[in-house]
Amino acid sequence: GAGVSQSPRYKVAKRGQDVALRCDPISGHVSLFWYQQALGQGPEFLTYFQNEAQLDKSGLPSDRFFAERPEGSVSTLKIQRTQQEDSAVYLCASSLAIGGPYEQYFGPGTRLTVT
Amino acid sequence: ELKVEQNPLFLSMQEGKNYTIYCNYSTTSDRLYWYRQDPGKSLESLFVLLSNGAVKQEGRLMASLDTKARLSTLHITAAVHDLSATYFCAGGDFGNEKLTFGTGTRLTIIP
Repeated sequence: GAGVSQSPRYKVAKRGQDVALRCDPISGHVSLFWYQQALGQGPEFLTYFQNEAQLDKSGLPSDRFFAERPEGSVSTLKIQRTQQEDSAVYLCASSLAIGGPYEQYFGPGTRLTVT
Repeated sequence: ELKVEQNPLFLSMQEGKNYTIYCNYSTTSDRLYWYRQDPGKSLESLFVLLSNGAVKQEGRLMASLDTKARLSTLHITAAVHDLSATYFCAGGDFGNEKLTFGTGTRLTIIP
């Protein structure tokens, strides 16, 4: 079936604006992950969900970042009062289940630019 | 906390040559992944390595894992231009689903 999809693909926000980034995981995938990738760096973990439960949010850089997955499928990453340091590519990944070394399949990412 | 280091960070090589990318990790990890990323694109999964001594091959790429040395390698044989990309390794802690990525190796194959 279809892979992980993310929208929008590109977002330009003025400093101080709120943004919402959407992720549609592969159908049937239980686990969903958000990563942040700065230019020239590897992805860094932000948070992950098993179904609708947020099991780890240790990577969220500040309380301006909030993620939800209310029905255990689509997830939204919200950033409030954006700052220039939030500029990055935000990657979503999903995997089949938790408790096993399942591959994480990545979406195309949302490139956020804060001006 | 798991840390992952890759070297080299940049690699420029001629077509037809062989080379190896190294991935060291700091603590025990129960799985090691290799991903490829093309410019402006997302990550494509290449290999998942789960046990000591694991070796996997796909085309001109071969990945191996030595858990005692906390080292994984990605070997490129007879490189061709379309292998130009950034390669990431990533590890996972026991009982934790999140991945910790290295900084990546930007590989450029010169004709």
